[in-house]
Amino acid sequence: GQNIDQPTEMTATEGAIVQINCTYQTSGFNGLFWYQQHAGEAPTFLSYNVLDGLEEKGRFSSFLSRSKGYSYLLLKELQMKDSASYLCAVRDSNYQLIWGAGTKLIIKP
Amino acid sequence: IAGITQAPTSQILAAGRRMTLRCTQDMRHNAMYWYRQDLGLGLRLIHYSNTAGTTGKGEVPDGYSVSRANTDDFPLTLASAVPSQTSVYFCASSDSPGTSGKQYFGPGTRLTVT
Repeated sequence: GQNIDQPTEMTATEGAIVQINCTYQTSGFNGLFWYQQHAGEAPTFLSYNVLDGLEEKGRFSSFLSRSKGYSYLLLKELQMKDSASYLCAVRDSNYQLIWGAGTKLIIKP
Repeated sequence: IAGITQAPTSQILAAGRRMTLRCTQDMRHNAMYWYRQDLGLGLRLIHYSNTAGTTGKGEVPDGYSVSRANTDDFPLTLASAVPSQTSVYFCASSDSPGTSGKQYFGPGTRLTVT
């Protein structure tokens, strides 16, 4: 079967760094996505990895290892507005997204 | 309008009633999707359309139907609602499933079936 695993909840301090991990087992791989979803709102795109390595975009970075079926999202200089759920999704061989349940990130002052 | 709109924003529906959730995008995207999101579960794909005139079944299609008469609109119909269809429904679109595939989401419809 297809499976995306990520921690249910994480807590971090404002100004700190947090790493959210995602492991996957899917039928085929055509890219991995990270989305941010604030409570009561729609998911919004953060990053896309299709090759191994690190993609950096401002305070957010995303890493992919296809051989390990593993990705992480790194958030630096955390701000209160970063309190949200972070969704990992893998595009499978049919080009459909398989979604993890999301990681709820709580930022404390 | 810019992006994707969904209607209604929320709805309380009696079991057994028929309901159509509306979705419209103005980005001229080829592909459109319907997801449901339930607490503790990831987004689950209900139906999708890779281009106008075609539709396909996702992970949880039972009890739902869709049509794609044109590029912009992708309505989702519940023929006879049941309480297990209580959920938040998101419509999304992307330029093409074979490209980067970044999906843009509508604001969602919160549906309660009683």
